[in-house]
Amino acid sequence: AQSVTQLDSHVSVSEGTPVLLRCNYSSSYSPSLFWYVQHPNKGLQLLLKYTSAATLVKGINGFEAEFKKSETSFHLTKPSAHMSDAAEYFCVVSDHETSGSRLTFGEGTQLTVNP
Amino acid sequence: DVKVTQSSRYLVKRTGEKVFLECVQDMDHENMFWYRQDPGLGLRLIYFSYDVKMKEKGDIPEGYSVSREKKERFSLILESASTNQTSMYLCASSRGGGAHNEQFFGPGTRLTVL
Repeated sequence: AQSVTQLDSHVSVSEGTPVLLRCNYSSSYSPSLFWYVQHPNKGLQLLLKYTSAATLVKGINGFEAEFKKSETSFHLTKPSAHMSDAAEYFCVVSDHETSGSRLTFGEGTQLTVNP
Repeated sequence: DVKVTQSSRYLVKRTGEKVFLECVQDMDHENMFWYRQDPGLGLRLIYFSYDVKMKEKGDIPEGYSVSREKKERFSLILESASTNQTSMYLCASSRGGGAHNEQFFGPGTRLTVL
C-alpha cells in the first residue's frame, strides 16, 4: 500500500526567504513522486516529478525536491519565496506495480508568503 | 494547450436530487479520474477509468457512479444527493502506460447540497 504524509498543514514565510515543505511517503515498490500546486480558485498544476532518474528534481518557478530513499522523504524547497508562491501544495505518490496510474495525495500544506 | 473542462464551476442542489457532473478532455488521454477535495483531507479518489466503458472504484465510491461512453468524456453521477456530498469535485486525465504520467486537472466544481 502507498501513503504520503505532509508534515505541516500550514507554513508561513517572509518574501525572499527560503521555503521548505516536508513530505514523507510509504510505498512497497519504487515509487513515482510528485508535487502539485493549487492557487486559489484554480485547478491543480504539476510542479515537478520524480520517476527514478536523478534524485534532485527541478520544477517550475524555481522549486526543486530531493528524493531520499533512506529517509523516505521528498521535501520541496525554493531558495527565495515570492508573493505569487502563496498557494496549497500537495505531495503525491504512486507505484505502478500495485496501483497502476492511481495517485495518493497528501493532505496538503498551505503556504503563506508575508511581505 | 492541454485542457480539461468541467461543466459547472458552482452547483447548488437539494437533498435527494440526481446530480450529473461532466468532464471533457481534449488530449486523447486513456485515463480519467474523479476526486473530491475537502479541507484537511487532500484529494480522495472516487472512481477512475482506463478506457471507454470501463470503470473502477477508487477509495470512496459509495453514493456515486460514473459513465464513460466516449474517450473524451467522463461523467460523475450522484444518484440521490446528500448533504455530506457537499464538496469540491475535481476531474483529471492522463496518458496510459504508467504511474509516472502527469495527471491534468480541470478547474473543479463546487457542489453544495442543501
